[in-house]
Amino acid sequence: QVQLQESGPGLVKPSETLSLTCTVSGASISSTSYYWGWIRQPPGQGLEWIGSIYYSGSTYNNPSLKSRVTMSVDTSKNQFSLKVTSVIAADTAVYFCARHGSGSWFVWDYWGQGTLVTVSS
Amino acid sequence: QSVLTQPPSVSATPGQKVTISCSGSSSNIGTNYVSWYQQLPGTAPKLLIYDNDKRPSGIPDRFSGSKSGTSATLGITGLQTGDEADYYCGTWDSNLSGVFGTGTKVTVL
Repeated sequence: QVQLQESGPGLVKPSETLSLTCTVSGASISSTSYYWGWIRQPPGQGLEWIGSIYYSGSTYNNPSLKSRVTMSVDTSKNQFSLKVTSVIAADTAVYFCARHGSGSWFVWDYWGQGTLVTVSS
Repeated sequence: QSVLTQPPSVSATPGQKVTISCSGSSSNIGTNYVSWYQQLPGTAPKLLIYDNDKRPSGIPDRFSGSKSGTSATLGITGLQTGDEADYYCGTWDSNLSGVFGTGTKVTVL
């Protein structure tokens, strides 16, 4: 049973850096068959893809966020992480980590439960 | 700011059928496969349809998908109260970006 779990601060001050980690169980993050990624959902709004990362560290990022987003992977801990710099109120959202296939591109088959991050002073 | 447009809401009575459209362009739906997700209140999205019309294991055949040109459609037959949720389409865009639809709320009357 593949499971993903987000962790990190629920409150971040404006202009600071949002940092989240996703811990994967039931699957190896080093699998060549999958990418791992982040999707966010502002309160009452739709889904926004943030980016995807391969076990090798290769990434694809949403162009609208690219300059503020950094993703990394730690294969030894079976985790991957997200950093968003210079956050503003509009970055307030539920952040989901999830998995999609390297073959079935952008097909998100397993998701974490999501974690609410609020940007506020 | 999504590039995939869905109707904000659709509704029907139990047992009826609903369809949800997802309109895109030649750079996304016109070129790539579409997937569909169901998001029940307060939960993470769940994969319903992938590669335009395929259902993952465990998804009932009441759910179906299709694609024509730059649009895709999700169909739900035999509507149940448990189908009340938000539904999103998703695909890859050729400008190297993943995109989701604006979302559609399904209400069972």
